[in-house]
Amino acid sequence: DSGVTQTPKHLITATGQRVTLRCSPRSGDLSVYWYQQSLDQGLQFLIQYYNGEERAKGNILERFSAQQFPDLHSELNLSSLELGDSALYFCASSVAVGGAISEQYFGPGTRLTVT
Amino acid sequence: GDSVTQMEGPVTLSEEAFLTINCTYTATGYPSLFWYVQYPGEGLQLLLKATKADDKGSNKGFEATYRKETTSFHLEKGSVQVSDSAVYFCASSGNTGGFKTIFGAGTRLFVKA
Repeated sequence: DSGVTQTPKHLITATGQRVTLRCSPRSGDLSVYWYQQSLDQGLQFLIQYYNGEERAKGNILERFSAQQFPDLHSELNLSSLELGDSALYFCASSVAVGGAISEQYFGPGTRLTVT
Repeated sequence: GDSVTQMEGPVTLSEEAFLTINCTYTATGYPSLFWYVQYPGEGLQLLLKATKADDKGSNKGFEATYRKETTSFHLEKGSVQVSDSAVYFCASSGNTGGFKTIFGAGTRLFVKA
């Protein structure tokens, strides 16, 4: 158990819908990361927050947005869903954003299926 | 920009064979380097790390040495087991500039009994 929790574990929804994925980081970790993992694209970095502020953006679509709240939990919002958005979405947390103590602890993931 | 390149998989080995998964990086400054492992149906877990040149990270029989001169961090294990079947990701995390963590594409390992 990494200490990172993600809800829900599974989500099935229809095209055009909007969903929210939730992540609670490990106790004491200030940084939260979101990743998308699909069979053909590997692990894609989406976005990173540190103590409530956006720190880095990766290949995140405009239809997707995220935020980190004062209690450090984070939410990833996916809207106007398309079939190609079906994937595993991982959240990870770390103490620091870079360097020697930046190892990330991953949650179990949310499996999103868009039908 | 910073990048991490891993050998393409899948890698298929017989039990007790020697494993090497190559990883090279490009980075500004001297990043910390990591290997993560993802077992089927699970999230990634940190396997080992090294934070400066010539450091050797080790865990569960796996080792990797931070080689600054060759910008490499190859993962090795002397005798693999079926339970080592997983996807292995190399990553670098800079401590200058953007402080980003960059992951490689992952290498899938199959170990046959």
